[in-house]
Amino acid sequence: GESVGLHLPTLSVQEGDNSIINCAYSNSASDYFIWYKQESGKGPQFIIDIRSNMDKRQGQRVTVLLNKTVKHLSLQIAATQPGDSAVYFCAENSQDSSYKLIFGSGTRLLVRP
Amino acid sequence: NAGVTQTPKFQVLKTGQSMTLQCAQDMNHEYMSWYRQDPGMGLRLIHYSVGAGITDQGEVPNGYNVSRSTTEDFPLRLLSAAPSQTSVYFCASRTMKTDTQYFGPGTRLTVL
Repeated sequence: GESVGLHLPTLSVQEGDNSIINCAYSNSASDYFIWYKQESGKGPQFIIDIRSNMDKRQGQRVTVLLNKTVKHLSLQIAATQPGDSAVYFCAENSQDSSYKLIFGSGTRLLVRP
Repeated sequence: NAGVTQTPKFQVLKTGQSMTLQCAQDMNHEYMSWYRQDPGMGLRLIHYSVGAGITDQGEVPNGYNVSRSTTEDFPLRLLSAAPSQTSVYFCASRTMKTDTQYFGPGTRLTVL
């Protein structure tokens, strides 16, 4: 699969391939990170999260990688399916409060049949 | 559980009108928040509440008021709508025991 940063808002992958969506977060003091999936006309849906004391966490078909050295977060989706087509957002908790999530601008994932 | 519910789904206002966006959750979550989402952008926090009777400002609070009289409800009020407030508004909630926020389906607001 092709990997892109959030400055390229659309990622197109072939069904069955792996997808990698990247995110550069802003605050080195952030200690909690989340990936959300948002389908058209719906609210964001939690996918997976990771704390700063970890560098990898796996879910069902998804893996989040955290590189604190370069403040980089990635979401890997294995065997991408048409239902994975959506906009994906990374979010970090803010420096001054764990209640305030700071969202990235999002990456649109398009899955080609 | 119904989760997080929002009403209305769509609303059109004229500049200067007031209205209230409703948000309710039935999960007994202490924390609730309001976000707005503009085209091509992520969500920005407007106001949040960590419990009944407690509210605080987020990243973009100007032009909006909130109150939290019960654990279940967290309405967002626009006192004098402006075209710059045209956006999609999302309410979210979570328990204080975890950091995972659950979002409602959103309200699409257009101010003419």
